[in-house]
Amino acid sequence: EVQLLESGGGIVQPGGSLRLSCAASGFTFNTYGMIWVRQAPGKGLEWVSGVSGGGGNTYYADSVQGRFTISRDNSKNMLYLQMNSLRAEDTAVYYCGKGSVEGYDYYYGMDVWGQGTAVKVSS
Amino acid sequence: DIQMTQSPSSLSASVGDRVTITCRTSQNIRTYLNWYQQRPGKAPKLLIYAASSLQSGVPSRFSGSGSATDFTLTIRSLQPEDFATYYCQQSYGTPLTFGGGTRVEIQ
Repeated sequence: EVQLLESGGGIVQPGGSLRLSCAASGFTFNTYGMIWVRQAPGKGLEWVSGVSGGGGNTYYADSVQGRFTISRDNSKNMLYLQMNSLRAEDTAVYYCGKGSVEGYDYYYGMDVWGQGTAVKVSS
Repeated sequence: DIQMTQSPSSLSASVGDRVTITCRTSQNIRTYLNWYQQRPGKAPKLLIYAASSLQSGVPSRFSGSGSATDFTLTIRSLQPEDFATYYCQQSYGTPLTFGGGTRVEIQ
């Protein structure tokens, strides 16, 4: 079964850091692009970051550029999001998603998602 | 950035109704448009990719159409499990962007 499982969320003070993890199973991880999407309480979906299957290409939303870093360890089937200099507006549920077509990163949508991990930035 | 304008933001409908949701983009994205369904407290679910291709396992009452800047998601005969929020998303280029969502409620 294809599965994604996020972890690492929690409560952090403004200016703090967190690292989210996404454990993948059931598919050839290194051939699929992956993304992070977040959803603030009561709001819509917002794309945060993406990475190609091999890890060589990374993409960021302007709102997190320079503060967040996406990475993947294909030997461990793991996706990460290092979040630094966190702000109140980063409070959200964070989902990892898998590209639906091998080798095409995000072009054809994301067909598998994790259950989400909640991040709250508050003093 | 490519702006997404989704309408309506909400609608009320009955079981068996035909429902249409539209999405307009600020520039030509060819057919790089995807539709997702999200139920409360759950992750998004891919329904349609590349504007009109039905994702595996998704009921055939869902269909998508359009190209360039104007797209439509149609639910042919609304079922109880279809009451949810629907999002369009462009995958033409980064930053990937989502529409504001359409909440489909029971009338």
